[in-house]
Amino acid sequence: AQKITQTQPGMFVQEKEAVTLDCTYDTSDQSYGLFWYKQPSSGEMIFLIYQGSYDEQNATEGRYSLNFQKARKSANLVISASQLGDSAMYFCAMRLFSGGYNKLIFGAGTRLAVHP
Amino acid sequence: DTGVSQDPRHKITKRGQNVTFRCDPISEHNRLYWYRQTLGQGPEFLTYFQNEAQLEKSRLLSDRFSAERPKGSFSTLEIQRTEQGDSAMYLCASSLAGGGLNEKLFFGSGTQLSVL
Repeated sequence: AQKITQTQPGMFVQEKEAVTLDCTYDTSDQSYGLFWYKQPSSGEMIFLIYQGSYDEQNATEGRYSLNFQKARKSANLVISASQLGDSAMYFCAMRLFSGGYNKLIFGAGTRLAVHP
Repeated sequence: DTGVSQDPRHKITKRGQNVTFRCDPISEHNRLYWYRQTLGQGPEFLTYFQNEAQLEKSRLLSDRFSAERPKGSFSTLEIQRTEQGDSAMYLCASSLAGGGLNEKLFFGSGTQLSVL
């Protein structure tokens, strides 16, 4: 079964500290893409970072980095130097091409609260 | 580039009524997706279009749901005979085909449906 699991319903972090949000995925495909999206209270899903299954290096985008461990099927998001504006829901998602799929499968999300 | 826009932002209706939502994707994007998100969950795929062709529908999309994209630009999602279980956020996203596994979806702010 194709599935994304985010085991942390909520996390909190002190401003300027780093935080790791966990994501594990389940697929038997060799080719897949992993995404992280941020959803603030306004509702819009904002793309943060992408990692391809064949990428050898971990993806980075500014303060965001993706800790990709293929053997463990995990794709954790690391946010460095947290800011108050980082408080939001964070979703991990996977894209597959097998069986004609062409959509993102999302996890249940993690709510991050950044405290001053 | 005005982003993905959805209308209305909020819709309150009585059980049994029909509702229609509209999505205007980013102008050059040829793929359009509908997702549904209930409280505390990640978005669930409903359907997607490439240009005007509806290429995939989820089993979640009962026969009370219909989506169209008549000219390959904007899309509408209609729910007939609404039920209380239809209460959710309906998200629209668009993308440019050909991006491969890293094809990014750009989301609108969603339509929040409440069925009384």
